[in-house]
Amino acid sequence: QLVLTQSPSASASLGASVKLTCTLSSGHSSYAIAWHQQQPEKGPRFLMNLNSDGSHNKGDGIPDRFSGSASGAERYLTISSLQSEDEADYYCQTWGTGIVVFGGGTKLTVL
Amino acid sequence: QLQLQESGPGLVKPSETLSLTCTVSGGSISSSNDYWGWIRQPPGRGLEWIGSMYYSGSTYYNPSLKSRVTISVDTSRNQFSLKLTSVTAADTAFYYCARHGPGIAAAGYAVFDYWGQGSLVTVSS
Repeated sequence: QLVLTQSPSASASLGASVKLTCTLSSGHSSYAIAWHQQQPEKGPRFLMNLNSDGSHNKGDGIPDRFSGSASGAERYLTISSLQSEDEADYYCQTWGTGIVVFGGGTKLTVL
Repeated sequence: QLQLQESGPGLVKPSETLSLTCTVSGGSISSSNDYWGWIRQPPGRGLEWIGSMYYSGSTYYNPSLKSRVTISVDTSRNQFSLKLTSVTAADTAFYYCARHGPGIAAAGYAVFDYWGQGSLVTVSS
């Protein structure tokens, strides 16, 4: 079964960097994913798609501070030089034949 | 710039049918390799994929909702619609429409890259 697992919460200081993790279920380590950001009281926004080799393509207007990487079944979203507006929920998303799956989301707090 | 906008009643009674429409502007719903989906989010909770469709009529549904969901398209109006039957309070959520690629049906990505702003539907008598 295709499942994405995310830690419920993360925190980091203003100006620092943070690395969020999304883990693919067993047998699905080759899958690409997408990262989405949802700021408070707003709808989701596409950040990037991320391949198993770590290559990624960002959405329009996404700052260079956002980057992606991968290792095995894990997919990462790194945000550097954290700003207050980066405080948001971050969701990973993947797909298979006839199905789309979201991770449970990580709530990022900027201290 | 592609834009999507959800519309429909904000209040639905228990056991009735929830109906929403997504209007696509800035592009054609009949574009090859574009798929169109519905996602929902109960207040304070995570995202849940409801289902997706291709303009030709092919549909794909979340197995947990499949028995109650119908997604359809009106290419003449550049719209697609969601119907969810026999609703309960558990169906109270923000409902989003979004575009994605062909990855659920063929090779390629199925990334939601354009989202509507969302529509809150409350199920209550």
